[in-house]
Amino acid sequence: DAKTTQPPSMDCAEGRAANLPCNHSTISGNEYVYWYRQIHSQGPQYIIHGLKNNETNEMASLIITEDRKSSTLILPHATLRDTAVYYCIVRGGMDSSYKLIFGSGTRLLVRP
Amino acid sequence: NAGVTQTPKFRILKIGQSMTLQCTQDMNHNYMYWYRQDPGMGLKLIYYSVGAGITDKGEVPNGYNVSRSTTEDFPLRLELAAPSQTSVYFCASSYSIPDYGYTFGSGTRLTVV
Repeated sequence: DAKTTQPPSMDCAEGRAANLPCNHSTISGNEYVYWYRQIHSQGPQYIIHGLKNNETNEMASLIITEDRKSSTLILPHATLRDTAVYYCIVRGGMDSSYKLIFGSGTRLLVRP
Repeated sequence: NAGVTQTPKFRILKIGQSMTLQCTQDMNHNYMYWYRQDPGMGLKLIYYSVGAGITDKGEVPNGYNVSRSTTEDFPLRLELAAPSQTSVYFCASSYSIPDYGYTFGSGTRLTVV
């Protein structure tokens, strides 16, 4: 599985957009990009995933660059409840078990 | 739907004791996974299973065993507990195609003293 690189921490003001970057320069053509978040000590929560096209759901948007070497998770109107650790993970490809290998993630702090 | 259910939620073990962490899911997911998370760290994959009767090692399998006799259950066995196994353990499950995300349980907080 391709390795990902994320900033260790970020912050944003409540009500503003939070843009979380992820670098995955070694991604292969059939690997997906997944985003999860972990609030306090709860189990991680699935947010969104994509292959090559931009994706949007009720929680967030995922922007993947054309060369697929990086992506950005966008929380359009961050709230205090969005304070969490956000994990960007590349998964799939030749690994048919589709296991997720977690990195250190980005700790997002949403300020009042 | 209950999703992924883990029991117990908390447990204290003495060094050398054994225990089984239970994990069951009611979503008919083929794939199941066990992770551990040490304080302030990311999750590490212990074992995973792609179906009943099939298991494989993850990143940190030493000191643990698993079995998968049914689609629903994926218990994690600790033999001879050690302080290094103090951690929060998460079970997860997913469909066998990449178009879906994982569903995680709420975790088991284990302390070995």
